[in-house]
Amino acid sequence: DIQMTQSPSSLPASLGDRVTITCRASQDIGNYLRWFQQKPGKSPRLMIYGATNLAAGVPSRFSGSRSGSDYSLTINSLESEDMAIYYCLQHNEYPNTFGAGTKLELK
Amino acid sequence: EVQLVESGGGLVQPGRSLKLSCAASGFTFSNYYMAWVRQAPKKGLEWVATISTSGSRTYYPDSVKGRFTISRDNAKSSLYLQMNSLKSEDTATYYCARHDGGYWGQGVMVTVSS
Repeated sequence: DIQMTQSPSSLPASLGDRVTITCRASQDIGNYLRWFQQKPGKSPRLMIYGATNLAAGVPSRFSGSRSGSDYSLTINSLESEDMAIYYCLQHNEYPNTFGAGTKLELK
Repeated sequence: EVQLVESGGGLVQPGRSLKLSCAASGFTFSNYYMAWVRQAPKKGLEWVATISTSGSRTYYPDSVKGRFTISRDNAKSSLYLQMNSLKSEDTATYYCARHDGGYWGQGVMVTVSS
């Protein structure tokens, strides 16, 4: 199975900061990588698909990138509504696997 | 408006069975792969099952393979998850989702406990 190693697990940040969350894939997954945002008591929301593509309705301060087997989600100019847990998901092969999650919280 | 509405959750004893349903609307259900994803209390997301558009192909992780069965009824725009031989570790909120990740249900809680 493909392992998705997500870091950091917790990320304290201030409003207006630029933050980056990373997932490293244990095998090649191409660009079959999605990022989800989940707020307490809510269902996950798709933020990025195809590693770099912004999902519909997602603010442009969010972006996705890839460097080899490392996939990153960057949020520019952090806003209070961005405080949530973020998960990566590889869907290159079955079983699809999620990263362990990154909790983004106010410093 | 796309809607995915799960039902069928509840409290069940270990070793027993439960069947979840998901009613889809607002899109052409038969054109999309569908999936179930679960989240144990205070834990992360875990993919549970995926089914192809026709239902002819299904995929599961080892943790549920042989115990869970995903199915669909395209005429009813409905997705199902039959869960057998339930274990305490299957306790979670179960989400129905379109496989492209763009739409999720609100989730249904399944508690496996004696």
